[in-house]
Amino acid sequence: DAGITQSPRHKVTETGTPVTLRCHQTENHRYMYWYRQDPGHGLRLIHYSYGVKDTDKGEVSDGYSVSRSKTEDFLLTLESATSSQTSVYFCAISEQGTGGSYEQYFGPGTRLTVT
Amino acid sequence: KQEVTQIPAALSVPEGENLVLNCSFTDSAIYNLQWFRQDPGKGLTSLLLIQSSQREQTSGRLNASLDKSSGRSTLYIAASQPGDSATYLCAVNTGNQFYFGTGTSLTVIP
Repeated sequence: DAGITQSPRHKVTETGTPVTLRCHQTENHRYMYWYRQDPGHGLRLIHYSYGVKDTDKGEVSDGYSVSRSKTEDFLLTLESATSSQTSVYFCAISEQGTGGSYEQYFGPGTRLTVT
Repeated sequence: KQEVTQIPAALSVPEGENLVLNCSFTDSAIYNLQWFRQDPGKGLTSLLLIQSSQREQTSGRLNASLDKSSGRSTLYIAASQPGDSATYLCAVNTGNQFYFGTGTSLTVIP
């Protein structure tokens, strides 16, 4: 298994509070991603990073920010949590392989409930 | 925008049966397509990666095919087992971004 950990694994928070989720990798992969998974929507990309301090928005980035100060860590922050952000959050990593392709590996997920 | 569709959403088969899962995508400009397995409450496990220049990939009882021009991929599972019960997702890679289908939930009945 790819060396990806996420913390916390479960969190319950109140509306309006800030929340930070952490993804840590031991694979030294360049690319890191944050997704959310919701019933009926599948996985949707929130933000991704292509290097230290290099990040870009995904499909559903509103209300989220990210930071990557070290290759191994990618943080996702909900600046003011809302009930619509209740979801399961997955971190993924990838590296460019042969032929220019990228294969993704996923962390175990964080279940976030906003009450 | 790339749209990825997986049909059916759920499938139930008796043990031992061969089966095919389908994945279709709207934009053929992809780098690769990846199939994943997800068990309840768990993360995604990569099963197979097919590069855009390839037609198929095999791993054990699994065989994935890719027809990029028609925007289709299939995952063939031979001699299904109860342990194959899970949700199977496909994802297409268009460079730095990945687009996922909503998955097919497979139940293999002993």
